[in-house]
Amino acid sequence: DIQMTQSPSSLSASVGDRVTITCRASQGISNYLAWYQQRPGKVPKLLIYAASTLQSGVPSRFSGSGSGTDFSLTISSLQPEDVATYYCQKYNSAPLTFGGGTKVEIK
Amino acid sequence: EVQLVETGGGLIQPGGSLRLSCAASGFTLSGNYINWVRQAPGKGLEWVSVIYSGGSTFYADSVKGRFTVSRDSSKNTLYLQMNSLRAEDTAMYYCARGLGDCGGDCYVWGQGTMVTVSS
Repeated sequence: DIQMTQSPSSLSASVGDRVTITCRASQGISNYLAWYQQRPGKVPKLLIYAASTLQSGVPSRFSGSGSGTDFSLTISSLQPEDVATYYCQKYNSAPLTFGGGTKVEIK
Repeated sequence: EVQLVETGGGLIQPGGSLRLSCAASGFTLSGNYINWVRQAPGKGLEWVSVIYSGGSTFYADSVKGRFTVSRDSSKNTLYLQMNSLRAEDTAMYYCARGLGDCGGDCYVWGQGTMVTVSS
C-alpha cells in the first residue's frame, strides 16, 4: 500500500508568514491528492483537490503544487483563522490514505 | 441540498457489534464512491473503507474482516456493519463522498457519529 508522509507534524509561525507543508507518497499517485483543513471539533474542509485546484470559496492565500510523489500546500500569508490541522489524502485508488497531519499554530 | 447524515453511533462493549448508517440527499449514492473515515479522540484522520459505484469494497487493514460496508439504493443509504469492536475503534465516524474525477464538486462530508467502545 502507498504511504503518505506529511511534514512537519507541527509548526508555529507569525501572522503574515509564508507557510509550507509537504506530503510525500511512497509511490506515484499522479495528481490525485487533496488537502483538508480541520479546525478543532469541526468536519474537515476541502481546500485543494487534484493537487493544485483551489476549492470554491477557499481564500487565494492557499495554494497546492506537485505531482507524482511530492506535493506541497502553501499559505502565502498566515492568518489567525488558519490555526488548524492540515491533512493530505491520496484518492487515486484504495486505500485512500491520509497523511499524519500538520498542526499549525500562531507564534 | 446535497448532504450526508450519519446515525447509529453510541456506547458499545468490547466484542460487540454496531451498524452505522449514512443517508444521502441531493445525489444518488450508487452513482458515486463513498468513504468511511474515522478520527479517534485527539488523533488524525484514518480512512476506513470505500464502496465504489460498481459495488466493490475495500477496507483498511485495521478493520478488515470485522467491518462490512453495504448500501441500500432504494433508501439511498450506506451502512457500516462493525463487529468484534475493540477499544481502539473508539472514534468519530464520518461518511464522505469520494472526489474522483469530479473533484471539488463531489466534496460532501457528514457531521459524523461517535462510537465509543468501552466496558
